[in-house]
Amino acid sequence: EAQVTQNPRYLITVTGKKLTVTCSQNMNHEYMSWYRQDPGLGLRQIYYSMNVEVTDKGDVPEGYKVSRKEKRNFPLILESPSPNQTSLYFCASSPWDRRNTEAFFGQGTRLTVV
Amino acid sequence: GESVGLHLPTLSVQEGDNSIINCAYSNSASDYFIWYKQESGKGPQFIIDIRSNMDKRQGQRVTVLLNKTVKHLSLQIAATQPGDSAVYFCAEKSGTGRRALTFGSGTRLQVQP
Repeated sequence: EAQVTQNPRYLITVTGKKLTVTCSQNMNHEYMSWYRQDPGLGLRQIYYSMNVEVTDKGDVPEGYKVSRKEKRNFPLILESPSPNQTSLYFCASSPWDRRNTEAFFGQGTRLTVV
Repeated sequence: GESVGLHLPTLSVQEGDNSIINCAYSNSASDYFIWYKQESGKGPQFIIDIRSNMDKRQGQRVTVLLNKTVKHLSLQIAATQPGDSAVYFCAEKSGTGRRALTFGSGTRLQVQP
């Protein structure tokens, strides 16, 4: 089954404690993204990757890091989480094609930073 | 700046009626406009898209209309069913640059039995 898998689904952490949210896709997609979803703001792109070892900032990259060492994995790293990073996070993947508008999203990770 | 927004945050319809969800956009350079559906506890799911050089596209029970003159996008759902209850996002995509999806803030569709 084609899917994007995120872990964990729920996470409560304390300010400053480094964490990683994993994302894996099995569709051999080149393009992967991380979004955060906040009430009234829709989904905003944090970082994206066009292929292995190619990553770049999205609209709200501050406080986040990513890596793309393998095509299927795109982890999101919060080196020193702060309460304003409390949000619902989604990983998405799609083929690298200007015509392709269908992104496949994971189930989401609800992060609370206290 | 670029923005994709929605007229109404919540839309309540009776089961069997048709639903119309609206969206305003400001980036005339977008190549595609897309509708996504997000059910509770899940990630967004692609519904239908329309290329910027088209004004109408139909899918299964859904129709998307694009009015470039007034920068307006709408999603019509025929014979709305309880399973259509969700938050609907419009999004736009450019074929150049980072090719990100830019999402609006969403409309919640509630289907009353």
